[in-house]
Amino acid sequence: DQQVKQNSPSLSVQEGRISILNCDYTNSMFDYFLWYKKYPAEGPTFLISISSIKDKNEDGRFTVFLNKSAKHLSLHIVPSQPGDSAVYFCAARLIQGAQKLVFGQGTRLTINP
Amino acid sequence: DVKVTQSSRYLVKRTGEKVFLECVQDMDHENMFWYRQDPGLGLRLIYFSYDVKMKEKGDIPEGYSVSREKKERFSLILESASTNQTSMYLCASSLPGQSNTEAFFGQGTRLTVV
Repeated sequence: DQQVKQNSPSLSVQEGRISILNCDYTNSMFDYFLWYKKYPAEGPTFLISISSIKDKNEDGRFTVFLNKSAKHLSLHIVPSQPGDSAVYFCAARLIQGAQKLVFGQGTRLTINP
Repeated sequence: DVKVTQSSRYLVKRTGEKVFLECVQDMDHENMFWYRQDPGLGLRLIYFSYDVKMKEKGDIPEGYSVSREKKERFSLILESASTNQTSMYLCASSLPGQSNTEAFFGQGTRLTVV
């Protein structure tokens, strides 16, 4: 049962435009949501997170929005740059236990010049 | 800077072999995790540990075991490697606590079982 879902396997955006990556979740027992970026043959690197009690968090070109009623979050990248081309994973942290992260399937973002 | 180091970037093993994947972190993190990444499936949790000698099963523990004898080291063991265990394996570590949200990942080990 996939608790965190990224329904778009890939996304192509022109350089300079906005990239919007989406993520849905089903479990209400998450206290934080995170986005990770992954290049081929490397481990994921943390991008940005948001607490379940917030609806927006911004860090430079990256903004994450959380809609709790819809159980949906999105990552906005503005403006998109060629170096943003990577696989992006949405993750949710469980409140209990060792606070393990549950990941989505990932979305491959390609920024076209 | 937090550093999570996995002992091998690439491994090729034969079916039936016992395989050890090693992970070391240098930031005194209590939590350590092993994930595998497969296309279309994202990262799936195999095992995790929240203290020395403590371990818990993740979502796909079958065919794997783990060892945590020291705080900085978390080993993943494939008891008898099979071709369906060909995958990218990722180790991660994190601090417990409400405000410590981020898990830090190693560079990954690409394992091929032939």
